[in-house]
Amino acid sequence: GAGVSQSPSNKVTEKGKDVELRCDPISGHTALYWYRQRLGQGLEFLIYFQGNSAPDKSGLPSDRFSAERTGESVSTLTIQRTQQEDSAVYLCASSFQGGLKNEQFFGPGTRLTVL
Amino acid sequence: AQTVTQSQPEMSVQEAETVTLSCTYDTSESDYYLFWYKQPPSRQMILVIRQEAYKQQNATENRFSVNFQKAAKSFSLKISDSQLGDAAMYFCAYRTYNFGNEKLTFGTGTRLTIIP
Repeated sequence: GAGVSQSPSNKVTEKGKDVELRCDPISGHTALYWYRQRLGQGLEFLIYFQGNSAPDKSGLPSDRFSAERTGESVSTLTIQRTQQEDSAVYLCASSFQGGLKNEQFFGPGTRLTVL
Repeated sequence: AQTVTQSQPEMSVQEAETVTLSCTYDTSESDYYLFWYKQPPSRQMILVIRQEAYKQQNATENRFSVNFQKAAKSFSLKISDSQLGDAAMYFCAYRTYNFGNEKLTFGTGTRLTIIP
């Protein structure tokens, strides 16, 4: 498809389990962003990738959170030992580096519920 | 660090009327971008309108326009001729002008309801 896709759409897990969230950016987009949206809140920046490297991880809330990107394409956000406060919608966005506009295109998000 | 504030958690407007959503921000930078995003129940963030801070002219996209007051650090969104499809959460966002890390800083959003 032409847009950013994310999987799964919804994920329910038990406290203490690990989860992996996947993002497929638009083909050719070199920049990729992960954001978290808690219920009734705006989006919080988590991490930024340029190519396969992550020059800005400043938004990751704890060392339980990690992310990687391979082939300058797919990215995976991993949350280890999930806690109830991790429940949120996790949104991914990609953009084409090189233009002043650099609009970020968002995926539909993964809703994570930690029981 | 930049901050974005949306002081109206909820707004409602009669269909076909005009509504204005407020946004203020704080930054020490002189060049930056400001955005309004729409998020319908599908969760998909949709870019509504964009404003470059160095441009004095307010951006306009069809029924959507902004009132950008740089000195006051204010960036309001005006929706004219409101339609039922405009019902959504609206988020104001800030982005640094610097090439490179272009993360967005978002406000907490305004839920817009359209009354038929």
